[in-house]
Amino acid sequence: DTGVSQDPRHKITKRGQNVTFRCDPISEHNRLYWYRQTLGQGPEFLTYFQNEAQLEKSRLLSDRFSAERPKGSFSTLEIQRTEQGDSAMYLCASSFGVANFYGYTFGSGTRLTVV
Amino acid sequence: SQQGEEDPQALSIQEGENATMNCSYKTSINNLQWYRQNSGRGLVHLILIRSNEREKHSGRLRVTLDTSKKSSSLLITASRAADTASYFCATEPPAGTALIFGKGTTLSVSS
Repeated sequence: DTGVSQDPRHKITKRGQNVTFRCDPISEHNRLYWYRQTLGQGPEFLTYFQNEAQLEKSRLLSDRFSAERPKGSFSTLEIQRTEQGDSAMYLCASSFGVANFYGYTFGSGTRLTVV
Repeated sequence: SQQGEEDPQALSIQEGENATMNCSYKTSINNLQWYRQNSGRGLVHLILIRSNEREKHSGRLRVTLDTSKKSSSLLITASRAADTASYFCATEPPAGTALIFGKGTTLSVSS
């Protein structure tokens, strides 16, 4: 297992288009998280799953955003009708349970540019 | 929303010096964690300190936690150029939900 993988690394899209990102967590990890990070800021929480159940969604996650984690394995984050304000780095992380000594393992992120 | 506030926002030091970053937060926590992020990359977990702990060490890292003041500090001793990165504190709420990150401190170590 080589860690958390995110695909694609970079995505340039035109305003109004839909985009989908994929995250493959560490296989033993039951929790999966999505964060968004803009330049000079810390990661902002979007949503997280425990196994296949989506347990929490941030107010930042408008109805244009949807996330899934079928069968508790990989996850996808879809943004519909993209806007320029959606331009950011989208980070995925996974963990085994809570209060874990090892914290979260992050992927390298997907950088989205909406033009 | 972001709970943690790191101070300073930016720090420049020479190799061999110590670097101290501070984090303040607003609500109760299960634990507080520190992460490092190199430019344009994902975050790497450095250390976790639980709410009932006051100090923790890992290699050149020393973390303190003062729950009465809702603050934490990260000390990196004998810094190296490779320590150049952004450092974020993150708090886990008592309900065990997702980590909430601060805005980070950008550390620059010059040789």
